[in-house]
Amino acid sequence: KAGVTQTPRYLIKTRGQQVTLSCSPISGHRSVSWYQQTPGQGLQFLFEYFSETQRNKGNFPGRFSGRQFSNSRSEMNVSTLELGDSALYLCASSFTGRDEQYFGPGTRLTVT
Amino acid sequence: AQKVTQAQTEISVVEKEDVTLDCVYETRDTTYYLFWYKQPPSGELVFLIRRNSFDEQNEISGRYSWNFQKSTSSFNFTITASQVVDSAVYFCALSEAMNYGGATNKLIFGTGTLLAVQP
Repeated sequence: KAGVTQTPRYLIKTRGQQVTLSCSPISGHRSVSWYQQTPGQGLQFLFEYFSETQRNKGNFPGRFSGRQFSNSRSEMNVSTLELGDSALYLCASSFTGRDEQYFGPGTRLTVT
Repeated sequence: AQKVTQAQTEISVVEKEDVTLDCVYETRDTTYYLFWYKQPPSGELVFLIRRNSFDEQNEISGRYSWNFQKSTSSFNFTITASQVVDSAVYFCALSEAMNYGGATNKLIFGTGTLLAVQP
């Protein structure tokens, strides 16, 4: 069974640009969560999607948004990038959203 | 507010030594879930264990064991006979519980403990 996949794995963007990250969950999983990992703030929850609806949200500005498609794949978008958005963005999937989460390899975003 | 504290920033041991990673949590919830994840240099978080607040039994899985003590709000992780492949950052995490049971996917992570196992 394939694991969680994230694309792209590495990304370099310039301040002010926007970026879209993609996550494909494990087959059959309907919940996708996103986390940001930085050296200063550690691992922080961004949001969770279940059946195409945002079910939970962390404490991030509105520049961070996401969506989920009918096949459970999810995208995360960050608009007007700031230097502080440089981070490893991790996606996790679970079957119901109430059980163990399995993480993907992450997308490393560098904002210059 | 919920919080997870991993006071040990870095631990270095020699192969075959036993090592314990500490985790202390704070929550006002009576029902909650605790987790341990391993993050090797590749970056992917690997799920190790989930434990709910009503199950205080210790758990052993091969060389790994977990000690959950509600009285001290601790959920410690011990690796017996450590190996070089155990070198990674280990995260302890806490999640809220829904009214009907089960965990939300909003995990509160500790800052992690970097474990270096020397050959």
